[in-house]
Formats: sequence, C-alpha cells, structure tokens
Amino acid sequence: RKEVEQDPGPFNVPEGATVAFNCTYSNSASQSFFWYRQDCRKEPKLLMSVYSSGNEDGRFTAQLNRASQYISLLIRDSKLSDSATYLCVVNGIQGAQKLVFGQGTRLTINP
Amino acid sequence: DVKVTQSSRYLVKRTGEKVFLECVQDMDHENMFWYRQDPGLGLRLIYFSYDVKMKEKGDIPEGYSVSREKKERFSLILESASTNQTSMYLCASSADWGWEQYFGPGTRLTVT
Repeated sequence: RKEVEQDPGPFNVPEGATVAFNCTYSNSASQSFFWYRQDCRKEPKLLMSVYSSGNEDGRFTAQLNRASQYISLLIRDSKLSDSATYLCVVNGIQGAQKLVFGQGTRLTINP
Repeated sequence: DVKVTQSSRYLVKRTGEKVFLECVQDMDHENMFWYRQDPGLGLRLIYFSYDVKMKEKGDIPEGYSVSREKKERFSLILESASTNQTSMYLCASSADWGWEQYFGPGTRLTVT
C-alpha cells in the first residue's frame, strides 16, 4: 500500500462548481498534513496545513479524519485560476523529518 | 516570505559529466531537501540535511551525493550523469521536522 494515495483525476468541472478531493494515508502515527498546489512546470506551493479540527481559508476547506486516515480538500465557487495539480502531503512512516507527497490530483476548471 | 533559489532553471549535460545543482534558502531553516519529480512517479526524496555537514539518504540516493557546508546552501551532485537522471530537480527547506516545506523553482536537467 502506498503511504499516500490520491485519485489522479483529471477532474474537469465548470467554473463556479464545488469540487472535493480525498487522500488516504497509511501511517496512523502521522501528525503533519498539508495540501500543496502545483501549476504546470512550476514548483509545489503550500496551499494550506490541515488541522485536527478542520480549517478553512476563503473558498478552501480542509478536513482530517484520523479514524479513517484520510484528509480532504473542498474548493467552493471554483475559479479558472484554481486549475492546477493538488498534492496531498503527510509526514512519513520513517519519521517526522520526511514528508511524503501524493502523486497529485489534476483539476481543470472550464469556463 | 521564504525564498528558496536554485542555480539554474534549465541545464543540459552530457552522459558522464559531473553535475552540480545549487540551492540557497534565506530563512535560516535547519532542514533542506532534494527531490526529483518525474511524470507518473511524483516527488521522490533523494537526500536531506538537518544541519550543516549532516546528511541523510532519502528514497533514491543512488547516483547522487550532497554537500552542506553552510546552513543556507545545499548542493546536489551527480557524480557521473546518466540519461535516466533526466528529470526536474526540486530543492526545499523547512524550519523544523514535519513542518511545511518551501520549494525552489526547480532545475530541469536533461542528460544527453
């Protein structure tokens, strides 16, 4: 089983729609969870950290479910500029010093 | 704002050449990382460093070495470049274990 698994997509949704991604992780002892965004041929950039209580940043909401070992990202009122690959990131089995990146979910927002 | 810079955006080298990729961060971060990213394989950790002169192997260290002589600078060395090392190389830094990592813009290396 992969340490971090994501649906690769692609997700194609119309502008203004709500879209949700899930990501599962295998290490029940993981303590750090993040969502990163990566535009084509660019570096990954931190979108948001994911906290136990869930957190929101504008149109973006992240949730953590420790019992089922998954995290989710919800994007409301999607914009064309949200088109990107979204990477789920968790600290790995071999220790907190390493982060494990999922392969990413590709999202395209259509006008 | 955290800033991580990499010495080159694009690099073309010949098989067998020694290649140096440089990374500099300006936030006094303890930890620095080198990844490569390939289509379908995602980000894979090559090496990381948690202090000056300290280094640890990541998941795919074969064919690579690293150097960290100063806190802000972490170098990746390809001792004898091969075509299967053609990839996007990304450097990152973080303030502490398990904390978010900040990435440089990447170096797209082509080995011919």
